[in-house]
Amino acid sequence: SQQGEEDPQALSIQEGENATMNCSYKTSINNLQWYRQNSGRGLVHLILIRSNEREKHSGRLRVTLDTSKKSSSLLITASRAADTASYFCATEKGGSEKLVFGKGTKLTVNP
Amino acid sequence: DTAVSQTPKYLVTQMGNDKSIKCEQNLGHDTMYWYKQDSKKFLKIMFSYNNKELIINETVPNRFSPKSPDKAHLNLHINSLELGDSAVYFCASSQREPGLGTFGPGTRLLVL
Repeated sequence: SQQGEEDPQALSIQEGENATMNCSYKTSINNLQWYRQNSGRGLVHLILIRSNEREKHSGRLRVTLDTSKKSSSLLITASRAADTASYFCATEKGGSEKLVFGKGTKLTVNP
Repeated sequence: DTAVSQTPKYLVTQMGNDKSIKCEQNLGHDTMYWYKQDSKKFLKIMFSYNNKELIINETVPNRFSPKSPDKAHLNLHINSLELGDSAVYFCASSQREPGLGTFGPGTRLLVL
């Protein structure tokens, strides 16, 4: 079964810096999504990018998708302490409503 | 207003017991899900319901049985709890496209 895998597993940066997280997967997909999870809280959907899209923006978030390399990246620009959370990518395979999540990247933004 | 709520938030119980986790969403979504997040933080879908009908049933033990009395509720009943059932269980709901959804806060289950 396909599995999104994020790297790095943990990332620590200073406020104002950019944070880049990567995700790789194994099989063809319909779309790829990024989620955020604050410690002890539920998951929050951030952005969805379809398999025929290459780049998408939402506020300070920029997501790229390279289907030839089966990889995606999430860039958070001008990070804030409030961005501290775990970030998960999730893939949806064609013909299925199932989401498969990776293990996540734990981002710490130091004030 | 909480969009997707789960009760209880924490559940500690003994092996062999039967327990239920409840989920309710007030977003008017048609699809609801149960996910299991194990100790390694990997999320796996367990069940998906659309308008009270089961549409995804992953390979989970028969001890797990979802029940959807109406499209705003999806409860999870677990029989004969085992140590390996310890995890955080997330309920979620979505409309139209899976993933453009909202997750509940999770229920942390610990089986002793």
